[in-house]
Amino acid sequence: AQSVAQPEDQVNVAEGNPLTVKCTYSVSGNPYLFWYVQYPNRGLQFLLKYITGDNLVKGSYGFEAEFNKSQTSFHLKKPSALVSDSALYFCAVRPNTNAGKSTFGDGTTLTVKP
Amino acid sequence: DTEVTQTPKHLVMGMTNKKSLKCEQHMGHRAMYWYKQKAKKPPELMFVYSYEKLSINESVPSRFSPECPNSSLLNLHLHALQPEDSALYLCASSQDGRGEVGAFFGQGTRLTVV
Repeated sequence: AQSVAQPEDQVNVAEGNPLTVKCTYSVSGNPYLFWYVQYPNRGLQFLLKYITGDNLVKGSYGFEAEFNKSQTSFHLKKPSALVSDSALYFCAVRPNTNAGKSTFGDGTTLTVKP
Repeated sequence: DTEVTQTPKHLVMGMTNKKSLKCEQHMGHRAMYWYKQKAKKPPELMFVYSYEKLSINESVPSRFSPECPNSSLLNLHLHALQPEDSALYLCASSQDGRGEVGAFFGQGTRLTVV
């Protein structure tokens, strides 16, 4: 069975500092990996995905994530956090098979303070 | 148009009511999904339609009835719901008809069952 772990319920950073939101996964075979962001009372917004190729993936709003196969991790990063980045972030994984379904992590609430 | 549109945004219904949630996308996506999300929890997959056919039903109670009239529309018919069904209901679509690969989500319908 596949699983996703986001070990931190809450991440707090100061504006202008780098941020990291952690994600580790377990899946049979090669994974598809995703990050989504959810602002209060809104739906999920797709940020970025890893399918294949370069381990460093760049996404929307200056976010990037690095796929690390040996550590089964896909941490989300941004060099300089903005107050407007404050939101709930979900990591998701699915196997790269035709019938694969995504599994979401429990989410990490990011708070960026001015 | 890169949007998934859901109506209504908010819905309050009694336990004996019948109502429907609607979802529309015009991105030519061939897979559409219904998710249920409780506050600060990850989305839970309910149904997947692939090429207008129901491909996944995650053991959802029969008081929830999905319908896909055409490739752009997805409905969720609700009948005899319980207060614990109160949640944010999210629709999503993806190009990949085999399963979600970076799905686009709607803003959701906030459902309250009284």
